[in-house]
Amino acid sequence: QKEVEQNSGPLSVPEGAIASLNCTYSDRVSQSFFWYRQYSGKSPELIMSIYSNGDKEDGRFTAQLNKASQYVSLLIRDSQPSDSATYLCAVNGYNQGGKLIFGQGTELSVKP
Amino acid sequence: EAQVTQNPRYLITVTGKKLTVTCSQNMNHEYMSWYRQDPGLGLRQIYYSMNVEATDKGDVPEGYKVSRKEKRNFPLILESPSPNQTSLYFCASSLSMRERVSHSPLHFGNGTRLTVT
Repeated sequence: QKEVEQNSGPLSVPEGAIASLNCTYSDRVSQSFFWYRQYSGKSPELIMSIYSNGDKEDGRFTAQLNKASQYVSLLIRDSQPSDSATYLCAVNGYNQGGKLIFGQGTELSVKP
Repeated sequence: EAQVTQNPRYLITVTGKKLTVTCSQNMNHEYMSWYRQDPGLGLRQIYYSMNVEATDKGDVPEGYKVSRKEKRNFPLILESPSPNQTSLYFCASSLSMRERVSHSPLHFGNGTRLTVT
């Protein structure tokens, strides 16, 4: 089992719809969870962080964390074509000397 | 402006010619790390540094060296580059990655696209 798993996609949604991106992780003691957005050829950009169970909202973005199920998700409301990018889930691997472990990323395509 | 600065952005070189990619951060971060990103393989950690004079291997350290003599700088050295090191490289820093100290995200530089022929 990979330490951080994401569906690679591509996930295609129409403009204005809700995009739902999912991530599961294997290390039960992980405490910090991050979502990064990466445009092709560019560097990853932090868009959300979450540390406690439940939902965290920031503008059109909502991160959801369920530590019991080892699951973290990102919802993008009112998706725009500019949201088309690869979304990386990252989890702090305390059991591995302290580092962020990245999933492979989910490619999102928002169609006008 | 708080940032991680990598240089150069693009580099084309030949097999065996030593090169250094520089990385500097102005946020007084303890933790710095190098990643390479290849299609289908995601971000893979090359080396990381928890603080000055403390470096350690990541997942793919072969063929690379690093040093951390100052807190702000973390250069990546390829002593004898080979074509399989052609990749997109990212330097990143974080306030700290020490267990339970803080929930610190990684801040990435703009990347260096390296081609080794």
